[in-house]
Order: sequence, then structure tokens, then C-alpha cells
Amino acid sequence: AQSVSQHNHHVILSEAASLELGCNYSYGGTVNLFWYVQYPGQHLQLLLKYFSGDPLVKGIKGFEAEFIKSKFSFNLRKPSVQWSDTAEYFCAVISYSGGGADGLTFGKGTHLIIQP
Amino acid sequence: GAGVSQSPSNKVTEKGKDVELRCDPISGHTALYWYRQSLGQGLEFLIYFQGNSAPDKSGLPSDRFSAERTGGSVSTLTIQRTQQEDSAVYLCASSTGTTSYEQYFGPGTRLTVT
Repeated sequence: AQSVSQHNHHVILSEAASLELGCNYSYGGTVNLFWYVQYPGQHLQLLLKYFSGDPLVKGIKGFEAEFIKSKFSFNLRKPSVQWSDTAEYFCAVISYSGGGADGLTFGKGTHLIIQP
Repeated sequence: GAGVSQSPSNKVTEKGKDVELRCDPISGHTALYWYRQSLGQGLEFLIYFQGNSAPDKSGLPSDRFSAERTGGSVSTLTIQRTQQEDSAVYLCASSTGTTSYEQYFGPGTRLTVT
């Protein structure tokens, strides 16, 4: 079974600091990778996704992530965070079995707090 | 257009009772997923429907959990004889079911078993 590891459970940063959240997955076959965000009191929203092609993907709100196949990693980055980025961030992977895509496997999440 | 909707938003039930949770996917989305979000376990995949095909039940935690999808649209997740460990937020997501497989999530149903 595949698994997803997020390195940091809680991260506290000041506004304008740079952000990098680590994500590693275990599956060796074809995968698609996602980062979802859950703002306080809101439902899960897609930040960005990787399916194929350029391993550096850009998402909403200035976020980007880099897929490094050799390291089984898909780290999330943002050069300058804002107070409004305070949220829970989830890395997820979807694998493909013979019948099609399976459900998403999520990491445990990283709780990001941005201090003004 | 409307997003994924779920009802009820909150449900409090007594241990041993049955509950039904409803999900209405985005119109035209053929794939529907149920997940559970709890403090101890994080986000767990429960079950997946693709069109009218038999669902993938591999993630259901016990035989007390079942789900159905009528007419390829609305889905109901049923938990029989609820236990306290069933307390969680139950999330539904839908996707077009094509190669993108991007899933759109609903607001969830918060289930509390007392």
C-alpha cells in the first residue's frame, strides 16, 4: 500500500518568510500528486497538481511544487507567505490500478501558522 | 455552478444508532468518493464510485459501513450501530472521472457519537 509522509506537523513563520513543506510518497508506479489546503472553517481546496510534463508546477495564491521522481518527493514552496496562508496543508497521491484511479492517499497534514 | 453538497452539516447520535449521510456531487461528475477526517487518523479514503460500476469498498473500516449511489448521482453513506470511534468529519468528493482525476470536496458532515 502506498503512503504519504509530510515532514512537519506544525510550522510557524512570520509574514514574508519563505515556505517549504516536505512531502514524500512511497508508491513506485504511475502517480499523480496534489497539494490541498484547508483554511479555518472551510473545506478542502486544491492548491496545485502534478500529472506529467514539467516537474515544477504552479498553483493558486503563489504556491508552487517540484516533483522529484528520484526522491519520491513533491515539496510545496512559496517565496513569501502572508497571514492569510494560515491553514492546514495536505499532500496527496493517487495511484492507478487496473481499473482506473483509486482514492487519494493523504499525508497527515501540516498546520501552518503565519504570524503578522 | 454549484459545488459538492453534503447533508446534514452536523449530526449527533447515540451509540448504537444508525446514521445516513448524503452527498450530492457536482453535476456531470461521474466519480464520487467518500473520505473520513479524524484527529487520530487524518484523512482516510473509504469508498469510490465510478459511474454505474460496482464501488471499490476497499477502504471501508468495518462491515457496519455501507454506501450506495442512486442513478449515478446522489450517494448515501450509512453507518450502522454507530460507535464512538466513528466520530469524525465525513467528506465527499467528486470528479469528472477522466484522466485528470481532480477531486472537488464538499464541506463535510461532522458526526458525533455520544
